[in-house]
Amino acid sequence: NAGVTQTPKFQVLKTGQSMTLQCAQDMNHEYMSWYRQDPGMGLRLIHYSVGAGITDQGEVPNGYNVSRSTTEDFPLRLLSAAPSQTSVYFCASSQHGGYNEQFFGPGTRLTVL
Amino acid sequence: AQKVTQAQTEISVVEKEDVTLDCVYETRDTTYYLFWYKQPPSGELVFLIRRNSFDEQNEISGRYSWNFQKSTSSFNFTITASQVVDSAVYFCALSEAGGTSYGKLTFGQGTILTVHP
Repeated sequence: NAGVTQTPKFQVLKTGQSMTLQCAQDMNHEYMSWYRQDPGMGLRLIHYSVGAGITDQGEVPNGYNVSRSTTEDFPLRLLSAAPSQTSVYFCASSQHGGYNEQFFGPGTRLTVL
Repeated sequence: AQKVTQAQTEISVVEKEDVTLDCVYETRDTTYYLFWYKQPPSGELVFLIRRNSFDEQNEISGRYSWNFQKSTSSFNFTITASQVVDSAVYFCALSEAGGTSYGKLTFGQGTILTVHP
């Protein structure tokens, strides 16, 4: 099993550009989520999904969109990148939310100039 | 709303010293889950332990031990005889079982642990 994979690993954008961060898992997990990690702030939840076709907002959803058309994939879209979105982004999955530990992808380091 | 506080931003110790990382949480839910994750310099997040709110037994795994006290809303992590390979950022996290917070993992700010040889 590959676990949770994320692409790209690094990305540089200019302000106003859009892009999609890819996330996929091969563990048949129902629950998937996106976090951003900023210095001194831990990880903050952006969006999450409890199953295909179901998504909801986390703590910091503004500027990001998600969709979940399959169990395996959970892409994160930046609609119009801003310097404040410079961060490391982690995708995670778990069998279900709550009790189960979440398995994290390797992260995507995004810089917005 | 759930909240996790790790008051220690950075800790520096010398190899073989014992070190305790503090974690204090807030939640209104009676059923919740607490986690510790390790983030080594390579950047990935590694799951260490999960504890549910009904299980206050302390746990030991090799040099690692965890002390869960509901009375003080704390879930502290102790590394005994620290090693250089323990150098990492450690995160405490909380997940509530019910309502609109189901499955949402709230992280503390993290504690940077540096173990010097």
